[in-house]
Amino acid sequence: KAGVTQTPRYLIKTRGQQVTLSCSPISGHRSVSWYQQTPGQGLQFLFEYFSETQRNKGNFPGRFSGRQFSNSRSEMNVSTLELGDSALYLCASSLGVGGGPNTEAFFGQGTRLTVV
Amino acid sequence: GEDVEQSLFLSVREGDSSVINCTYTDSSSTYLYWYKQEPGAGLQLLTYIFSNMDMKQDQRLTVLLNKKDKHLSLRIADTQTGDSAIYFCAETHQAGTALIFGKGTTLSVSS
Repeated sequence: KAGVTQTPRYLIKTRGQQVTLSCSPISGHRSVSWYQQTPGQGLQFLFEYFSETQRNKGNFPGRFSGRQFSNSRSEMNVSTLELGDSALYLCASSLGVGGGPNTEAFFGQGTRLTVV
Repeated sequence: GEDVEQSLFLSVREGDSSVINCTYTDSSSTYLYWYKQEPGAGLQLLTYIFSNMDMKQDQRLTVLLNKKDKHLSLRIADTQTGDSAIYFCAETHQAGTALIFGKGTTLSVSS
């Protein structure tokens, strides 16, 4: 069974630009979550989608947004990029929501975004 | 507020046991997880424990939970060089699957 697929793997953007990252969850999984990983802040929750609806949002500015499609694939968008947005962006998928069995989160390999 | 703390580094010799510790502050945590991250890779789920359990064993991995002290540990028996990685402790609540992560413990295994 294919795992979580994130594209692209690496991305270099200029300050002020916008970027869209894509995540294809494991087949049958309906929940997708996004996390930002940086050396200073560690892993921080961005948002969570289930059945095309955003269920939870972390403490990030409005420049960070996301969406989920009917096939459970998800995209996240960052507008007006800042140098501090350079990070590894990780997507995780799970069967459902609520924590625990059948809701364990499986992660993709991430998209490494560098803002110059 | 929610906070998960881990020691940053652990160094062991091959064949020894490794114990990685984690403390959390939110008593409403329902599930606690251990993830492993190797260089350049995403996070691999190793194991998890429900908050009403004290212990869970899975092959070389033993998870101990002291809910009173909000302390979680991961013991790796017979540690191998392939176990060298960053280990993250994480918690979640009944309301959703958003994970709160610790900063990670870098495990270095020498032969």
